Amino acid sequence: QKEVEQDPGPLSVPEGAIVSLNCTYSNSAFQYFMWYRQYSRKGPELLMYTYSSGNKEDGRFTAQVDKSSKYISLFIRDSQPSDSATYLCAPIKAAGNKLTFGGGTRVLVKP
Amino acid sequence: GAGVSQSPSNKVTEKGKDVELRCDPISGHTALYWYRQSLGQGLEFLIYFQGNSAPDKSGLPSDRFSAERTGGSVSTLTIQRTQQEDSAVYLCASSSGTGNSPLHFGNGTRLTVT
Repeated sequence: QKEVEQDPGPLSVPEGAIVSLNCTYSNSAFQYFMWYRQYSRKGPELLMYTYSSGNKEDGRFTAQVDKSSKYISLFIRDSQPSDSATYLCAPIKAAGNKLTFGGGTRVLVKP
Repeated sequence: GAGVSQSPSNKVTEKGKDVELRCDPISGHTALYWYRQSLGQGLEFLIYFQGNSAPDKSGLPSDRFSAERTGGSVSTLTIQRTQQEDSAVYLCASSSGTGNSPLHFGNGTRLTVT
């Protein structure tokens, strides 16, 4: 079993819909959680960074963490074609120095 | 520079040849990472440098892979006697190295071994 699991997709939605992305992890030592967005032929870019259980909002993006279930989510409201990308979840240990990445979920937002 | 710079952006090499990939991190960032991303796969950790500490080489897949970081800045990843399974995108990232600071990635070097 991989430490971090994501559905590879693709997840196809119409423009304006809510995109819901999920990630599960097995290591309870993970305490910080990051979401990265990766466009084709580009490096990943940091989208959201959260620590505590609960919700964190940033514009159209909401990250949700449930440490008891080892389950994290990313929601994209009012999705745009420019949101079409691969979304990678990346938890890290409290005293950690390297991210462990999920395989990513590919999202397609159709105009 | 404004971001992490990697060169070359693309590299095609013959099986058995050696290759060198270069990474220029964000100025002032003390931590530098190399990851590998194979087609349709997630990111695989290779090696981590932090300041003057000994690097964490735990992710290097074989002794054909090595990396160095000169003067605490630019890093070079070397792959000797390349094999076809080495074909992948090699991504470099840097961070400020404080706490759990996020990583900033370059756009990678796409390596194809023929």
